[in-house]
Amino acid sequence: KQEVTQIPAALSVPEGENLVLNCSFTDSAIYNLQWFRQDPGKGLTSLLLIQSSQREQTSGRLNASLDKSSGRSTLYIAASQPGDSATYLCAVYNTDKLIFGTGTRLQVFP
Amino acid sequence: KAGVTQTPRYLIKTRGQQVTLSCSPISGHRSVSWYQQTPGQGLQFLFEYFSETQRNKGNFPGRFSGRQFSNSRSEMNVSTLELGDSALYLCASSLAGPDEQYFGPGTRLTVT
Repeated sequence: KQEVTQIPAALSVPEGENLVLNCSFTDSAIYNLQWFRQDPGKGLTSLLLIQSSQREQTSGRLNASLDKSSGRSTLYIAASQPGDSATYLCAVYNTDKLIFGTGTRLQVFP
Repeated sequence: KAGVTQTPRYLIKTRGQQVTLSCSPISGHRSVSWYQQTPGQGLQFLFEYFSETQRNKGNFPGRFSGRQFSNSRSEMNVSTLELGDSALYLCASSLAGPDEQYFGPGTRLTVT
């Protein structure tokens, strides 16, 4: 049974820092991995999608890597800003659905 | 291009009632999935519809059901509501399934 874990559960940093959020999964037989952002009480916003054959994807200040063999992904956020404050979720598409981690709650203070 | 829309955004129901939630996917997307989000259980998969057929189903009781119409719009129904059904219900659309998933804003259901 696929399990997805995210570390740390919460993170509070000053503006300008570079951040690394971690995601690990137990079953490497995935179609893809997707990172999302969720603001309080809102839906999920897709940040990056990495296909199982890819190693990384970049969008602006965000970079996500995937090491399928070790069951790990990292989301790198460069030069963090207060507007980056949100919960970040990783999810793997496994067989027939997305399986989500429990998220990392990020707070960036000025 | 318009995003995924969900209606209503908020609902308050009492135990024993039933409720219907609606989801309109991005134009051209044929797969619609539903998820339940609660503080205790996180995000859990309910079911997926593709071309008007339920293709996959999660581990939820039969009180949870859904359907998809020919225009790919989907509805989810919960009968005999329980207090534990209080949650944020999210739908996601994609082109055909294991593609990038786009989520709607969710429907916040409160059962009293």
